[in-house]
Amino acid sequence: EVQLVESGGGLVQPGGSVRLSCAASGFTFSAYWMHWVRQTPGKGLVWVSRIKSDGSSTSYADSVRGRFSISRDNAKNTLYLQMNSLRAEDTAVYYCVRDGSATVTFFDYWGQGALVTVSS
Amino acid sequence: SYELTQPPSVSVSPGQTASITCSGDKLGDIYASWYQQKPGQSPVMVIYEDTKRPSGIPERFSGSNSGNTATLTISGTQAVDEADYYCQAWDSSTVVFGGGTKLTVL
Repeated sequence: EVQLVESGGGLVQPGGSVRLSCAASGFTFSAYWMHWVRQTPGKGLVWVSRIKSDGSSTSYADSVRGRFSISRDNAKNTLYLQMNSLRAEDTAVYYCVRDGSATVTFFDYWGQGALVTVSS
Repeated sequence: SYELTQPPSVSVSPGQTASITCSGDKLGDIYASWYQQKPGQSPVMVIYEDTKRPSGIPERFSGSNSGNTATLTISGTQAVDEADYYCQAWDSSTVVFGGGTKLTVL
């Protein structure tokens, strides 16, 4: 059974940093692109970042480029999102998501989400 | 940047057919996917690559994509289908979601 379990969320002050982790199991983690998608409470889904299966390529949404960094450790089956210079508008539930295709991009498995609240 | 537009809400009577549209420039030239999200839950993929249903998704869910519009169709809509639905596409290395449609089963 595929499982994605996020951790590391919580309350952080504006300008602060936090690192999210996503522990993957039930599939060959090193074979899949992975993404982070966020959702502000009561609002829609917004793509944040993605990383290639071997970690050699990354992409970011304009709103987080230069502040967030995605990485992975295939030996530990874990995906990360380092979030720096946080702003109130970064407050959201962050989902770790598996990309079911290396060429098309669709999200076949989602984690339960980690809430990050940016507030003083 | 690429944008996908969905109606904010759609209402349907039980047993009837619900259609949720997703519009984007030349959307038919790229693949669209659809996700269902119920309150307090993570999204679930119901359609991928325009028309394909993942294992475990009921046959009443179907999709199409042509021109500038992708459509999610739910035939014989049931009360359990009441949820938010999001379309998604991939364009020029950027993933885009529609704003979401709240489906109400009256």
